[in-house]
Amino acid sequence: TQLLEQSPQFLSIQEGENLTVYCNSSSVFSSLQWYRQEPGEGPVLLVTVVTGGEVKKLKRLTFQFGDARKDSSLHITAAQPGDTGLYLCAGAIATTDSWGKLQFGAGTQVVVTP
Amino acid sequence: EAQVTQNPRYLITVTGKKLTVTCSQNMNHEYMSWYRQDPGLGLRQIYYSMNVEVTDKGDVPEGYKVSRKEKRNFPLILESPSPNQTSLYFCASNIKRGAWNEQFFGPGTRLTVL
Repeated sequence: TQLLEQSPQFLSIQEGENLTVYCNSSSVFSSLQWYRQEPGEGPVLLVTVVTGGEVKKLKRLTFQFGDARKDSSLHITAAQPGDTGLYLCAGAIATTDSWGKLQFGAGTQVVVTP
Repeated sequence: EAQVTQNPRYLITVTGKKLTVTCSQNMNHEYMSWYRQDPGLGLRQIYYSMNVEVTDKGDVPEGYKVSRKEKRNFPLILESPSPNQTSLYFCASNIKRGAWNEQFFGPGTRLTVL
């Protein structure tokens, strides 16, 4: 059972369009991260959100953490072919060792065509 | 350049033939971990290590071993590989950033067990 559900699984859009990817759970997370992974490479951290309701912007990417810290969304404005990749969300669960444990969603494959 | 390296990047082997995937980081990070990535399942943690000589099981440890004799190295050992261990493997190292951890991934090792 996936702790974090991402939707949609696959998204194909034209350059210039907007898109939103969702990450949902019934669990509360101490923080939530979004990664982008390109073919042949490891995931690269885009952003970490920590506070419920927090919104962070990274150029054309807007990340939001739900008020209850159970869900998050990633919105891309005016998508470009360089935004193509697998987007992964990962929620951190607090542990006694203070390092925490990351649970990953299955990912959303985004394809932006020129 | 700060990085996590893995070797080999690609490996095709046969059932039962012991193999080791090496992982090394040059950032002096204490925490390292191994993940496997399978379609529709996302990244699942196999083993992690909080420091030298300190290792523990993740979510899917069966069939794997690890060791942490030096801070920079964290090899993954498959004593008797089976076809269900065919997967994409990632090594990662973490650094604490206050309330959250930043995770750096290696480039991945694609393993096929025939």
